[in-house]
Amino acid sequence: DTEVTQTPKHLVMGMTNKKSLKCEQHMGHRAMYWYKQKAKKPPELMFVYSYEKLSINESVPSRFSPECPNSSLLNLHLHALQPEDSALYLCASSLRQGTNYGYTFGSGTRLTVV
Amino acid sequence: GENVEQHPSTLSVQEGDSAVIKCTYSDSASNYFPWYKQELGKRPQLIIDIRSNVGEKKDQRIAVTLNKTAKHFSLHITETQPEDSAVYFCAASNNAGNMLTFGGGTRLMVKP
Repeated sequence: DTEVTQTPKHLVMGMTNKKSLKCEQHMGHRAMYWYKQKAKKPPELMFVYSYEKLSINESVPSRFSPECPNSSLLNLHLHALQPEDSALYLCASSLRQGTNYGYTFGSGTRLTVV
Repeated sequence: GENVEQHPSTLSVQEGDSAVIKCTYSDSASNYFPWYKQELGKRPQLIIDIRSNVGEKKDQRIAVTLNKTAKHFSLHITETQPEDSAVYFCAASNNAGNMLTFGGGTRLMVKP
């Protein structure tokens, strides 16, 4: 298996809702990432997990809460989002953090906050 | 932190012509430079990468060059085809964190 799988592909949520994004990989990668991508912009790093521990939080608002329950799964819990949080949320993985390996990206979850 | 500039933001070429996209970076500690292709509505896909101990790398119609002294690297696509049309992102990272910093992207359009 050489893929990163993200679910759901599309999500529409209200500003008072609680929802979760899910990311899964079975490539034995021990570094996993959440990126946010607005239209016509490059991906922007949100969080990095290394060996299931949060290693980098790029000053992301607390309404985004990441979780890494095991080496294959990465979740992003969403609560009280704003319309400006609407974007494509990309999960990625790489073999390790701390050495340079290419990322494998998932197809993303297109989130719309209404 | 690292800052990556990418030019041009849009590039239109005729099928069969070559395309060149250029990036500059600011952090001299950066030592890994991947290029990603993103088609509309799809995930970024790694197409080629280069490490700082190498000056050039080629894979069929795609090549990347790196000038460490000048802190710039370029993507070269020869014999372009309509299916090369996409947004291309350059990126840079270093051993400390393997956090990719992306350039702003180049929208490449290959006209048949």
